Amino acid sequence: NAGVTQTPKFQVLKTGQSMTLQCAQDMNHNSMYWYRQDPGMGLRLIYYSASEGTTDKGEVPNGYNVSRLNKREFSLRLESAAPSQTSVYFCASSEWGRIQETQYFGPGTRLLVL
Amino acid sequence: GESVGLHLPTLSVQEGDNSIINCAYSNSASDYFIWYKQESGKGPQFIIDIRSNMDKRQGQRVTVLLNKTVKHLSLQIAATQPGDSAVYFCAENYGGSQGNLIFGKGTKLSVKP
Repeated sequence: NAGVTQTPKFQVLKTGQSMTLQCAQDMNHNSMYWYRQDPGMGLRLIYYSASEGTTDKGEVPNGYNVSRLNKREFSLRLESAAPSQTSVYFCASSEWGRIQETQYFGPGTRLLVL
Repeated sequence: GESVGLHLPTLSVQEGDNSIINCAYSNSASDYFIWYKQESGKGPQFIIDIRSNMDKRQGQRVTVLLNKTVKHLSLQIAATQPGDSAVYFCAENYGGSQGNLIFGKGTKLSVKP
């Protein structure tokens, strides 16, 4: 049982390049999330998927798109990377997305945009 | 805007002492609070949570206190160990959805042997 896995672990992009961050969970959770973490700031929600087939914007969705590929996988795409998107990206999942559920986080993807 | 914040960005304690990490929140509608621990290079890990109808909740070596009057949350760690060294985040939730989970900036706890 690996929990939440993310690929890649680290990526360097040039401004304008695109990439997709992959996330998968093996806990049969219904809800999945993408956060970014910047120095000196707390985690901020980019997008989330309450259940398979649905996605919703979080606090900072601009410049990103997501795809809930199936129940296990939730990807985050940067169509045209900008230096402001340099950050650490965390994927998380929870069973139903309800208020008292624990979110389980992946190890993160460190992205540097030059 | 309303936000979750922390009084102390860094905290250094001696091994075996008790640690207290504080958090202020400003959204009076928040009704659920969580503490996460994040070790270097890893994702956040759930520690303990509390609902707004409670003022204290205990776990294994950890206690969370909620003071709704002054909108203050604290995490107490008993007999702090080197393995407790990490960044600790508080988070608040309102609206009953995980999409409304707002994280604070974090406090770094360093435990001296």
